[in-house]
This record gives sequence, C-alpha cells and structure tokens, in this order.
Amino acid sequence: GESVGLHLPTLSVQEGDNSIINCAYSNSASDYFIWYKQESGKGPQFIIDIRSNMDKRQGQRVTVLLNKTVKHLSLQIAATQPGDSAVYFCAETTAYSGGGADGLTFGKGTHLIIQP
Amino acid sequence: KAGVTQTPRYLIKTRGQQVTLSCSPISGHRSVSWYQQTPGQGLQFLFEYFSETQRNKGNFPGRFSGRQFSNSRSEMNVSTLELGDSALYLCASKLVWTARMETFGSGTRLTVV
Repeated sequence: GESVGLHLPTLSVQEGDNSIINCAYSNSASDYFIWYKQESGKGPQFIIDIRSNMDKRQGQRVTVLLNKTVKHLSLQIAATQPGDSAVYFCAETTAYSGGGADGLTFGKGTHLIIQP
Repeated sequence: KAGVTQTPRYLIKTRGQQVTLSCSPISGHRSVSWYQQTPGQGLQFLFEYFSETQRNKGNFPGRFSGRQFSNSRSEMNVSTLELGDSALYLCASKLVWTARMETFGSGTRLTVV
C-alpha cells in the first residue's frame, strides 16, 4: 500500500542551527498531516499538524510546509536545542465518507542528532 | 490531566502463548487506536475502537484482536505469539472517531522468546 516516507534516516546539526526534516508522501487523497517526535523509551509526541487546504503552519520554533504539487512535507526547527534530539516522524491520514478517517500512516523516521 | 496509560510497560512471552495489553485513554477521549512499532516495519496501524465498536482495521492477521469497554478503556490481544510479534505496542486516543489528532501512550514493549 501507499506510505509516507522520509528522505534521511539520520540528520546531524549543530546546536543553535536550524534543522529541516523532509518527508515525501504518495497518497494524493491524504488531507491531514502530523509531525511527531519520539524520544527514547517514549511514545510519539505531537509537534504540529497541517491540513491539506494550507501550505504553511507555524508553532513555537517549528514550521511545517506542505507542497501538494510534489507531495512533500517538511518540518523546520529553529535554533535547535539538545532537547530536540529524537526521532521525528511524519504521518498522514485520509478522511472518508461517514466522518471517520484512516489510521495514521507513518514514515520511517529521521533521527535528529544535535552536536554541541 | 493524565495522559494515555498503557500497562504493562514490559512483557516477555514464549512463542505460542497469548498476550493481552491494556490501554486507558485520556479522560473524555472515546476513540482508541493501536499501533505496532518495529525497527523493520516502523509504526503500523492495527485497529481503532470507538463506542465499543471496531471502526477501522489495518493489515494484520486475525491473531491480533482488540476490544473496548464502556469506559473507553481498551485491550488488545495477540494469540499464538510468533518471534516477529516482538515490538513496541502503542495505544493512542482522541476525543471522537471523527477527530484527527491522536495522543500516544508510552507503549508496551513485548518480547517473544
């Protein structure tokens, strides 16, 4: 079946720099996207979401960009801190008639490593 | 407000046995989903329950089953365990079936030997 993928399994950045994590998705019917952060020994933690009728959404130090033309999603983290070290997953889901939605389809994750 | 609570945190079982995992959603959340996370396959959707009914199901064999109780707590069961069932099993909850954003628990780490 279709799945959401990430371009890089590992991304190493210097503390204080900006990080950009990318994700490609293949299901053109997907209408809702989420970025999750998973630290060791914990479950995925919600970071930010975006609906398909938007192309950009900003949170605290994070920005998600959605390009539906090329089916690409990115997460930008400003001024990366040691606490940002984690695995980042993008996830997508599709609404269907009746009001429900498919279970989340996750990419394989990017491990963000912060260098001091 | 308490988060999603999963018990037990760790479990070791033998091939051929069965196992039951438990999940208590965030108070007020009525939808519960289950996911399997492995290094090889990543995070995969198992099923979703709302109002004690399975609303959605992923591509897993019938050995994987679940149920939801009237208080929205959920259990998942895996029968005839295989080595490949070793994984982190994650539960997620959301307010209602039509909501989109799910909050995850810390998971149950199942090891099959």
